[in-house]
Amino acid sequence: DAKTTQPPSMDCAEGRAANLPCNHSTISGNEYVYWYRQIHSQGPQYIIHGLKNNETNEMASLIITEDRKSSTLILPHATLRDTAVYYCIVRVAGYNTDKLIFGTGTRLQVFP
Amino acid sequence: DGGITQSPKYLFRKEGQNVTLSCEQNLNHDAMYWYRQDPGQGLRLIYYSQIVNDFQKGDIAEGYSVSREKKESFPLTVTSAQKNPTAFYLCASSEGVGTEAFFGQGTRLTVV
Repeated sequence: DAKTTQPPSMDCAEGRAANLPCNHSTISGNEYVYWYRQIHSQGPQYIIHGLKNNETNEMASLIITEDRKSSTLILPHATLRDTAVYYCIVRVAGYNTDKLIFGTGTRLQVFP
Repeated sequence: DGGITQSPKYLFRKEGQNVTLSCEQNLNHDAMYWYRQDPGQGLRLIYYSQIVNDFQKGDIAEGYSVSREKKESFPLTVTSAQKNPTAFYLCASSEGVGTEAFFGQGTRLTVV
C-alpha cells in the first residue's frame, strides 16, 4: 500500500507559486521523502528529497513539518511546462531493502 | 552520456509468449528497480536489486522474473503467467538511500 496521500488534482496560474501537499503520517524515522514528476508517457523526473530539514534546489523547495507527517512541494514560479503528475514518495530502507513506494500522485495543471 | 537506457520503446507480443525488456545503466549504481504503470495510475514495484546476483520481489512480482548478472544490467522477463501484461514498464537505478533515483524513458508493452 502507498504510504503517502495526495490530492488527485490541482490548478495553478502561470507565474504563481504552486504548493503541492502530501501526507505521510506513518513515515518512520529513517525514511526519506522524495518528489518526482511525470509528463505523459515519459519516465519520472527527480525534483527533490529530504529527511527532516527543509530543502531547496534550482527546481523547487521542500517543506517538511516538524513531526514529519506531512510535507509540501513548492514550485515558486510555475510555468506551463510544469504541468505534470507530481508524486510524493517515501523511500523505505532497511536491511536488504531499499525501495521507492509511489502513490497515485497529484495532477498539476498550470494555466495561462 | 551517462544514464539509464530502456529498449525498445514500444514492444508488441502475442499472448502466451514470454518477452524480455532491457534496462542498462552506466552510472555505476548498485541498486536497480522495475516498475509497472497502468493508464491513469501510479507506479507499482515489480522487482528490485541492491547488488549483483541478488534481487527481491516487490508488490506485484507474480508473472515476472529478473536477473542481475552484471551491475549495469537488470532485464525483466514478462512471462505467459502474467495475466494482464499490457502496461508501461519503467526501470530505475540509484546509488542508495538518500540519493536520487534515475528513471529510464520506459517500454510500452502491448500483448495482443
